[in-house]
Amino acid sequence: GQQLNQSPQSMFIQEGEDVSMNCTSSSIFNTWLWYKQEPGEGPVLLIALYKAGELTSNGRLTAQFGITRKDSFLNISASIPSDVGIYFCAGQAYSGAGSYQLTFGKGTKLSVIP
Amino acid sequence: DTAVSQTPKYLVTQMGNDKSIKCEQNLGHDTMYWYKQDSKKFLKIMFSYNNKELIINETVPNRFSPKSPDKAHLNLHINSLELGDSAVYFCASSQEPGTYEQYFGPGTRLTVT
Repeated sequence: GQQLNQSPQSMFIQEGEDVSMNCTSSSIFNTWLWYKQEPGEGPVLLIALYKAGELTSNGRLTAQFGITRKDSFLNISASIPSDVGIYFCAGQAYSGAGSYQLTFGKGTKLSVIP
Repeated sequence: DTAVSQTPKYLVTQMGNDKSIKCEQNLGHDTMYWYKQDSKKFLKIMFSYNNKELIINETVPNRFSPKSPDKAHLNLHINSLELGDSAVYFCASSQEPGTYEQYFGPGTRLTVT
């Protein structure tokens, strides 16, 4: 099956610093998504990317869909303590029989030191 | 109002038992999913239902049986529980099959002893 390589696995940063994480795949995806999961909760969608080269922002978050459609990155600017959580990339591709499927990366655990 | 809800939040049971996890969504979505998140936080899809019909059935043991009594509910029944079934199980829903905007429930932490 398709696999996503997400890096880094974990990050410890000072409050106010910028953060960058990325995902790469051996397969092409139609859509790239970034989710955030806080402890004890389900993943929440942050940003969705639909076209190769697309750059999208959501507040302090910026994400890009790679030109090759095999990678994406997420940047967080001026981090704050509530940014703590696990960030997941997910790629969506056609899985046959009229259905699409999400494949998730293994997550980047972000810790912010006040 | 909770969009996607799951019960129970925590489930501790012994090997060999049979248990069910319930999921309900009040978003009017057509498609519902079950995901398994292991101890390393890896999220993997297990099942997908669209309008009460199974459309994705990943390679999971047949001890796992999803049941969708109506569009708003997708329950997961697990027979003969094993230690390796311990994980967090997430229900999710979306408007169409595979639509990017999947809304996740809060998860059910299953511990098999």
